[in-house]
Amino acid sequence: GAVVSQHPSWVICKSGTSVKIECRSLDFQATTMFWYRQFPKQSLMLMATSNEGSKATYEQGVEKDKFLINHASLTLSTLTVTSAHPEDSSFYICSATVARTYEQYFGPGTRLTVT
Amino acid sequence: AQSVAQPEDQVNVAEGNPLTVKCTYSVSGNPYLFWYVQYPNRGLQFLLKYITGDNLVKGSYGFEAEFNKSQTSFHLKKPSALVSDSALYFCAVRDRGSSASKIIFGSGTRLSIRP
Repeated sequence: GAVVSQHPSWVICKSGTSVKIECRSLDFQATTMFWYRQFPKQSLMLMATSNEGSKATYEQGVEKDKFLINHASLTLSTLTVTSAHPEDSSFYICSATVARTYEQYFGPGTRLTVT
Repeated sequence: AQSVAQPEDQVNVAEGNPLTVKCTYSVSGNPYLFWYVQYPNRGLQFLLKYITGDNLVKGSYGFEAEFNKSQTSFHLKKPSALVSDSALYFCAVRDRGSSASKIIFGSGTRLSIRP
């Protein structure tokens, strides 16, 4: 149980286009989902926290207009990278948690390459 | 503010020898502590957690970790290393506030096991 999927697993896009990444909790309802990005050989940096049906809370330094997060249901959150640039190339990982529990379940990650 | 430190960027161990990956934390109150492993181009895999109770926690793949409150440490250990243990290891901390509390990751330690 407690499986989180991400789609796509990798994507290449041209500079200036937008890319949407999906994060799904497959066998549980996720009250909160988190989005992280990871640069090569670095740790995971939290980008934002999203609760179902409400606006995401972004970490300091993360542009909310560039990284649009939607958490429309208890099993789906999406991250849209708008007007992507090569510096947005990174590994994006989502995680999900259930109310009144302490554990987060991580997705397999999405590698974004912007050319 | 909560934080996690992994003082070693890399740990090299010969196969069959015991291994230790160090982690110290700073958080107000009693934390939840986690260890995750990441293989190249993959998401995070959960290894073990400390929530409460016995200070020695046993996890997946023969790993264990000891919670030391006085030293604010949560070092990861394994009695006999395998080449397949070579990967990137992250220590993480989360406060007990709510399920929406964010997890803070350490910088990661690359474990290399030589045959």
